[in-house]
Amino acid sequence: DTGVSQNPRHKITKRGQNVTFRCDPISEHNRLYWYRQTLGQGPEFLTYFQNEAQLEKSRLLSDRFSAERPKGSFSTLEIQRTEQGDSAMYLCASSLRRGGKYNEQFFGPGTRLTVL
Amino acid sequence: RKEVEQDPGPFNVPEGATVAFNCTYSNSASQSFFWYRQDCRKEPKLLMSVYSSGNEDGRFTAQLNRASQYISLLIRDSKLSDSATYLCVVSLTGGGNKLTFGTGTQLKVEL
Repeated sequence: DTGVSQNPRHKITKRGQNVTFRCDPISEHNRLYWYRQTLGQGPEFLTYFQNEAQLEKSRLLSDRFSAERPKGSFSTLEIQRTEQGDSAMYLCASSLRRGGKYNEQFFGPGTRLTVL
Repeated sequence: RKEVEQDPGPFNVPEGATVAFNCTYSNSASQSFFWYRQDCRKEPKLLMSVYSSGNEDGRFTAQLNRASQYISLLIRDSKLSDSATYLCVVSLTGGGNKLTFGTGTQLKVEL
């Protein structure tokens, strides 16, 4: 399967614990995005990388959230001191930027986080 | 006010019906427009881009009115397999092409 992969697919944790999710983008895609989706809502942008550089972070990304893409390939999203309000589907997407043209973002299956 | 607003759902239609979804966006600087489809508990997938001249892909027709900041999607001869949530999506060029999604409209096509 050459699509975007995410691990784990499901994570249940207790309030206050730290969690880390991983995203492997489509090979050679230089852009990687993280979104969060709660029930009944559309996905909301969190942050994106071009290669290893994190170029933008949403106001939704509190200081408890940190994302990395150390070698410009896979990315991790860590949530520290989880709260019940963090329960959501965390979606990763990747695209290949060529010039100024928009290129389709391909989404992974998501990691569903439940904070008890 | 949400940046992208869509018709409330769900839309329950019989097979073969024509159904239309509408969407408005608030940021006049938006440059790219899309409809994504999301099946239950699955990831969103691009259905089609939307161009100012309007565009068609089989049974699906999308229209964009920049002056009114309005986007539409028409589905003709609906199939059971069209049942899904349809997400209206906009993007600002130069903003990393991050996508701004509407809340989605659920479509259920019934026999």
